[in-house]
This record gives sequence, C-alpha cells and structure tokens, in this order.
Amino acid sequence: EDKVVQSPLSLVVHEGDTVTLNCSYEVTNFRSLLWYKQEKKAPTFLFMLTSSGIEKKSGRLSSILDKKELFSILNITATQTGDSAVYLCAVEALRNSGNTPLVFGKGTRLSVIA
Amino acid sequence: KAGVTQTPRYLIKTRGQQVTLSCSPISGHRSVSWYQQTPGQGLQFLFEYFSETQRNKGNFPGRFSGRQFSNSRSEMNVSTLELGDSALYLCASSLADANNEQFFGPGTRLTVL
Repeated sequence: EDKVVQSPLSLVVHEGDTVTLNCSYEVTNFRSLLWYKQEKKAPTFLFMLTSSGIEKKSGRLSSILDKKELFSILNITATQTGDSAVYLCAVEALRNSGNTPLVFGKGTRLSVIA
Repeated sequence: KAGVTQTPRYLIKTRGQQVTLSCSPISGHRSVSWYQQTPGQGLQFLFEYFSETQRNKGNFPGRFSGRQFSNSRSEMNVSTLELGDSALYLCASSLADANNEQFFGPGTRLTVL
C-alpha cells in the first residue's frame, strides 16, 4: 500500500529560525512528489519534484528529492509568522490501471512565534 | 482568472441523508479531483474526472460518487450519510491531469449529525 509519512507532526519555532520538514514515501511506480502549504482552507502549491538532487527554490523556501532513499525535505529559512501553516507532502503514483492519484501525508503543522 | 469555486461552503446534514457538492474548475481546466480531509486521516483522494469520465478512483465506498459535465464542472454525491463523513471536501482542478499543478478550491465543510 502506498504510504507518505511526514515528520515532525508539529513544530514551534521563533521568527528567524530555519526549519526542515521531512517527507518519506513508499510508493510503487513513483512519478512525482509535491509540497503544499495549507493555511486556512485550500492547499496552495509550492513545489513539484521529479528528479533526485535538483533543488527547487522559491524565495526562502527550498526543497529537494532523494529518490534512492525515498524522501524529500522542505527548508524554510528566516521564518516569519506568515509561514505558520500545515505543510503537506503528496506523491503521485502510477497504478496498473493508469491511474495516478495523489497520496498525501498527514502534514506538519508549523507555528512561528514572534 | 477566477479560481476554483465550491458550493456550498458549509453544510449540516443528518445521518441517512444524501448530499451533493459542486465544484467549478478554473476556466480551461479539464481535470477535476476530489479529496476528503479529516483531522485523523488527513487528505485522502476520492476520485478524478477528465472529459466527463472518471479516470482515477480512491478507496472509498460506493456511497461516494461523482460526475463531470461538458463544461468541466463537477459534482460529488454522498448517499446514506454517516457521522464519519463529516469532513472538509476539497476540489482541485488542473489543465490535463494530476501531472500538472493542481489548484484547490476553498472546500465544503460537511457536518453530519
């Protein structure tokens, strides 16, 4: 059964700290790994990763994928209170039927305090 | 460009009833996926529609069904509601399939009493 595990489940840091969120997966026929940020309702897309070792960056956020060890990390540097959210990791898996549903982890709840 | 819209935003139903939720994707997007989000299980994939056909399906009972119309708008239906169906139901649209970036709607919060 496909599985995505995120750690830690929750994290409290002070503004200015750097955080690393982890996502490990067990998926048959991996296609891509995605990171989302969920603040109130709708998750918003952050990154899609398909190749190992290539870092993707967007401002203070960056992410990298290791397809050999089956994990990804999401880094946030110089955290701000606006970074407080649940960060979701999802993996796209190719099934025999050609289906490619997204399998989500349970998320990491990040709280940044001033 | 308008985002993904979902209606209604909130619903309260009682056990045994049925419910229909609606999702309008971003203009030009042809793929619509539905997810259930609960505190205990997180986000779980329900199904995906593309060109009026169900293309992907998650592990949910047959009480959960959906359809897509020719204008790409989608509905999902849950029959014989159970207390455990209380959740945030999220819809996401993308251009062609889940390979593309998915844009989520604000969700419908369903409470089953």
